[in-house]
Amino acid sequence: DAGVTQSPTHLIKTRGQQVTLRCSPKSGHDTVSWYQQALGQGPQFIFQYYEEEERQRGNFPDRFSGHQFPNYSSELNVNALLLGDSALYLCASSLFQGPDTQYFGPGTRLTVL
Amino acid sequence: AQKVTQAQTEISVVEKEDVTLDCVYETRDTTYYLFWYKQPPSGELVFLIRRNSFDEQNEISGRYSWNFQKSTSSFNFTITASQVVDSAVYFCALSEAGTASKLTFGTGTRLQVTL
Repeated sequence: DAGVTQSPTHLIKTRGQQVTLRCSPKSGHDTVSWYQQALGQGPQFIFQYYEEEERQRGNFPDRFSGHQFPNYSSELNVNALLLGDSALYLCASSLFQGPDTQYFGPGTRLTVL
Repeated sequence: AQKVTQAQTEISVVEKEDVTLDCVYETRDTTYYLFWYKQPPSGELVFLIRRNSFDEQNEISGRYSWNFQKSTSSFNFTITASQVVDSAVYFCALSEAGTASKLTFGTGTRLQVTL
């Protein structure tokens, strides 16, 4: 049973660029949530997708956007990158009809120079 | 608003010692869920336990045990006879009731177990 997968593992970008991160949920899950984890901090909720729609959103600017595909996989896009966007980006999957436990992927480490 | 506080930033113990990680939460909801996750150096968050607010029964799983006390809004995690492999950052998290709710995390406690 495949767990949550994310790609790429690491990414280096410069300020002002755009980035796309990808996530495939655990088999059988239909909901994907994205979190940002700055160094030494706990993960912060960015947004959540179910049925290809954004269902909940945390306190993040519009530069952060996402998408969910019919196969439940998801993308996180960040535009106009800032140095402060450097973080570990974690994807979690679960079942929408909850409550359900969120299972996390290994994360994508983004460095903005 | 929901909030999770993990006051212990870092704990160091010698192998075989028992260690307790503290978690205090705030929520206005009457139904909610509490979680513990482990984050080893690889970065992936590993799910350990989920607890419902209406079930205050303590739980034991091998060397791990959890003490949920609604009266003090605490959900503490004890590792008995710690091992080097327990070294990681541990996060306590809270979610409200309802469908696929977001998780609110504490800042984590780094546990270092040495020989």
